[in-house]
Amino acid sequence: EVQLQQSGAELVRPGTSVKLSCKVSGDTITAYYMHFVKQRPGQGLEWIGRIDPEDDSTKYAEKFKNKATLTADTSSNTAYLKLSSLTSEDTATYFCTFGDYFDYWGQGVMVTVSS
Amino acid sequence: DIQMTQSPSVLSASVGDRVTLNCKASQNINKYLNWYQQKLGEAPKLLIYNTNNLQTGIPSRFSGSGSGTDYTLTISSLQPEDVATYFCFQHNSWPFTFGSGTKLEIK
Repeated sequence: EVQLQQSGAELVRPGTSVKLSCKVSGDTITAYYMHFVKQRPGQGLEWIGRIDPEDDSTKYAEKFKNKATLTADTSSNTAYLKLSSLTSEDTATYFCTFGDYFDYWGQGVMVTVSS
Repeated sequence: DIQMTQSPSVLSASVGDRVTLNCKASQNINKYLNWYQQKLGEAPKLLIYNTNNLQTGIPSRFSGSGSGTDYTLTISSLQPEDVATYFCFQHNSWPFTFGSGTKLEIK
């Protein structure tokens, strides 16, 4: 069974960066693209972008192009989302999702940006 | 970007009711439309992929239909455990986009 395990909750200062991880078990990370999704408290879902771990190619939604960086480490079967220049607008839960039909999801990681 | 408009934003229905949720795309998405159920504090759960394909393990009371720009999710007989927010998601064109959700409540 495929499972995605995300790293723990983060409390970070404005203006700093944070790097979140998403580890795949039950399959190889190169089997599918890895996508990341943002959900602000009480709000809907926003697609951030995706990485192809096979060749490290990426695609981002325009609003996240200067905010998010996706990377992958095939040796550890893990994908990463780095968020930079954090503001209160980045306070949210971030999910990774994987699979032919976006069927596998991580449990989500809450990032709180606060001084 | 393709805009996904869901209606209604809140739906209140009784146990056993047939319920229909709607999702309209701003342009043709060629049936690349998924439906997700999200309960409070949980990750979204895939119900239907590519318009009308029931995900493994999902009860058969859930079904999807549609084409072009208009899509629906139907619950044939509403159960108490179906209380959740439902999102549609298009993966036809970059950037992929979600609808704003329909919150389903029990009367």
